[in-house]
Amino acid sequence: AQSVTQLDSHVSVSEGTPVLLRCNYSSSYSPSLFWYVQHPNKGLQLLLKYTSAATLVKGINGFEAEFKKSETSFHLTKPSAHMSDAAEYFCVVSLHRTGGFKTIFGAGTRLFVKA
Amino acid sequence: NAGVTQTPKFQVLKTGQSMTLQCAQDMNHEYMSWYRQDPGMGLRLIHYSVGAGITDQGEVPNGYNVSRSTTEDFPLRLLSAAPSQTSVYFCASSAGGETQYFGPGTRLLVL
Repeated sequence: AQSVTQLDSHVSVSEGTPVLLRCNYSSSYSPSLFWYVQHPNKGLQLLLKYTSAATLVKGINGFEAEFKKSETSFHLTKPSAHMSDAAEYFCVVSLHRTGGFKTIFGAGTRLFVKA
Repeated sequence: NAGVTQTPKFQVLKTGQSMTLQCAQDMNHEYMSWYRQDPGMGLRLIHYSVGAGITDQGEVPNGYNVSRSTTEDFPLRLLSAAPSQTSVYFCASSAGGETQYFGPGTRLLVL
């Protein structure tokens, strides 16, 4: 069975300090992995995606994520948090199947950034 | 391009009422999906479509109907609204790969 686990429901950091949002997945196949961000009262926006190319993926707004197959992890990081990074972040697994693909969302991690 | 648009933004219904949530995309995407978002549960797939005339059920389809008569539109119908359907609904489209583009959402309250 496929699943996505975001290990923290809430993360709080100070502005200028590093961000780490953790994601583990379970899949029988090589999945595609995504991080989406949702700002308050907005839709979801793609931050970055991994599709079996380079294991370190760079996204928008200074975020990056590293795919570690041995640890089945895809953690999201940023060296220095900005106030504008405060939002909810979703780790997503996408699996190819006959006729299309199956998408599984993690429960989300809400990031708080303190001044 | 407007991307993915949804109407209405907000809606209040009484139990038993019916309504249709509208979704349209102007990117000529084949894949379209409807999700509901509830606190602490991420997004859950309601129904999806892989092209005009083709729809299928997702994880939580009960109480919802969809149709796909054109590539652009993918309406979601609530036949008899229940309080358990209070949620935020997102429509998404994809070109057939896996990156999805989301609409701004419809916030629904069922009393």
